[in-house]
Amino acid sequence: EAEVAQSPRYKITEKSQAVAFWCDPISGHATLYWYRQILGQGPELLVQFQDESVVDDSQLPKDRFSAERLKGVDSTLKIQPAELGDSAMYLCASSLAGFWNRGVTDTQYFGPGTRLTVL
Amino acid sequence: AQTVTQSQPEMSVQEAETVTLSCTYDTSESDYYLFWYKQPPSRQMILVIRQEAYKQQNATENRFSVNFQKAAKSFSLKISDSQLGDAAMYFCAYRVGGAQKLVFGQGTRLTINP
Repeated sequence: EAEVAQSPRYKITEKSQAVAFWCDPISGHATLYWYRQILGQGPELLVQFQDESVVDDSQLPKDRFSAERLKGVDSTLKIQPAELGDSAMYLCASSLAGFWNRGVTDTQYFGPGTRLTVL
Repeated sequence: AQTVTQSQPEMSVQEAETVTLSCTYDTSESDYYLFWYKQPPSRQMILVIRQEAYKQQNATENRFSVNFQKAAKSFSLKISDSQLGDAAMYFCAYRVGGAQKLVFGQGTRLTINP
């Protein structure tokens, strides 16, 4: 069964360092999402891609976070510089339907996540 | 803004018993979807069940069923014949039709007692 892959699974870094997370969605899925899940809370969307284009990055702290999906397949999320408050689980998800498909009952499939600890 | 509220941070149930997890949401949209996701410890989040707002019939998936009260904006999950493998964080989520972003509640940690 196809799954969303993420690496690394765990990352420990010191504040002010740069970190990067990688996500490989299920083959053929048009939409890719990055969520951040703070311990004890539900995930919140950081950025959403339709193929290689960003369709929603309204909650992405753009002064330190960046995301790309250059060929519309895998994606990288970067934080530079990392801050203590960035400690969280970073989840990647993908779905088959495109952003503009109205009324589509579409399932988001989640990867295992990257747990980031900033010291 | 759309919000999802899960008022039960933790729940526990005896194995083989039935448990109901609560969820309320706030929206002015008429076209939307509701979901329950399960996040086992150290494992990825998986979809348990979903409900389209335009459907009056409550969704059912084996031992999992929902009670969807659209006027009250309530969407509870009932787990029948609870099994040890049901232990997990359960998240209620909402999605507006036409967009794909999921808005999650804070989660309910479910413990199954043998």
